[in-house]
Amino acid sequence: DVKVTQSSRYLVKRTGEKVFLECVQDMDHENMFWYRQDPGLGLRLIYFSYDVKMKEKGDIPEGYSVSREKKERFSLILESASTNQTSMYLCGNWSPNYGYTFGSGTRLTVV
Amino acid sequence: KNEVEQSPQNLTAQEGEFITINCSYSVGISALHWLQQHPGGGIVSLFMLSSGKKKHGRLIATINIQEKHSSLHITASHPRDSAVYICAVRANTGNQFYFGTGTSLTVIP
Repeated sequence: DVKVTQSSRYLVKRTGEKVFLECVQDMDHENMFWYRQDPGLGLRLIYFSYDVKMKEKGDIPEGYSVSREKKERFSLILESASTNQTSMYLCGNWSPNYGYTFGSGTRLTVV
Repeated sequence: KNEVEQSPQNLTAQEGEFITINCSYSVGISALHWLQQHPGGGIVSLFMLSSGKKKHGRLIATINIQEKHSSLHITASHPRDSAVYICAVRANTGNQFYFGTGTSLTVIP
């Protein structure tokens, strides 16, 4: 089975801080994603990456950036955290053979 | 504009009932997924399908490519089936992935 690991389950950060959310997969899958999940809004794509150093903006990229220096790791960066970025963040990957695999999520609170 | 629409948004059923959740999409796809998320839990993949029908235990997923429609059926529903069910598609052009907003299912004992 594919495993996707997110480094933190819960995080509390202050407004204006730079925040790094880390995601690691244990397979060699090209496609990796970052989503945020908010009540009533479902899953919204922030960024995805289809290979090392390749990235595409999703539906809500403002205030976020990403880094993919190695195939197994996809990082989400909040350049200057704001309270409206309080949310559940989900990392996942997709492959033709395994479909979607998601990490367990990081619940970020910005105070 | 939502490329993936699910219905109903919310569903309450009595234990033992047969349940159907629907998903319609507007793009050409290479694969459709049904995902499940229990309250406070992570998202797990139930099915990936591109044609026909798949069955796993009490869950059945069907897809009609011509009509751009998929259904997820749960037979003999149980309270542990209470979860949000999400339909997601991978478009067959570009590298695009689209999600429905989910169907929240509550099964009452």
